[in-house]
Amino acid sequence: GENVEQHPSTLSVQEGDSAVIKCTYSDSASNYFPWYKQELGKRPQLIIDIRSNVGEKKDQRIAVTLNKTAKHFSLHITETQPEDSAVYFCAAPSGNTPLVFGKGTRLSVIA
Amino acid sequence: NAGVTQTPKFRILKIGQSMTLQCTQDMNHNYMYWYRQDPGMGLKLIYYSVGAGITDKGEVPNGYNVSRSTTEDFPLRLELAAPSQTSVYFCASSYSIRGRGANYGYTFGSGTRLTVV
Repeated sequence: GENVEQHPSTLSVQEGDSAVIKCTYSDSASNYFPWYKQELGKRPQLIIDIRSNVGEKKDQRIAVTLNKTAKHFSLHITETQPEDSAVYFCAAPSGNTPLVFGKGTRLSVIA
Repeated sequence: NAGVTQTPKFRILKIGQSMTLQCTQDMNHNYMYWYRQDPGMGLKLIYYSVGAGITDKGEVPNGYNVSRSTTEDFPLRLELAAPSQTSVYFCASSYSIRGRGANYGYTFGSGTRLTVV
């Protein structure tokens, strides 16, 4: 089955700087890669996703890049703000099975 | 359109008690899931369902049971609660596109915080 590794586990950045979180996956057949943001005490919420037929997708300050050859995908947050502080999870499917989630990255944006 | 609704939001159980966590979705999603999240940890899949009448085990199914009699509802049953089941439980749903997998539009409920003492 799918195995998803996420790094780093914690990340601190100064407000205005960029943050990058990386995930690797094992199943070369995986074709959908979402990122979720979870604020303290809240549910995970989808912030951006990418399908395997594209290499990059942007949504304002957030972007996701995908390297299918190397089997890794990354979340990029530019011009970070204090409200970006949260835990971020990547995920990948294995065929038609449920998403497998990474262990999460706790991002702290320091004002 | 309420999305995924979970009840209760909080519950304290004594060891050995049983309870059912309720989950309902109004998006006509065919796939539904139960995850647990321990403090500071990621999401672990307990059970999932690909449609009414069909359920399957996830990574950590022991101590739990599920049923899926309708498209909308996917209750999770805890029998003989143990302290190890203290966790936050999230229900989620998603839709499938024929021939393209079933992982789109994953929507989570607000969670049930369960403490077993």
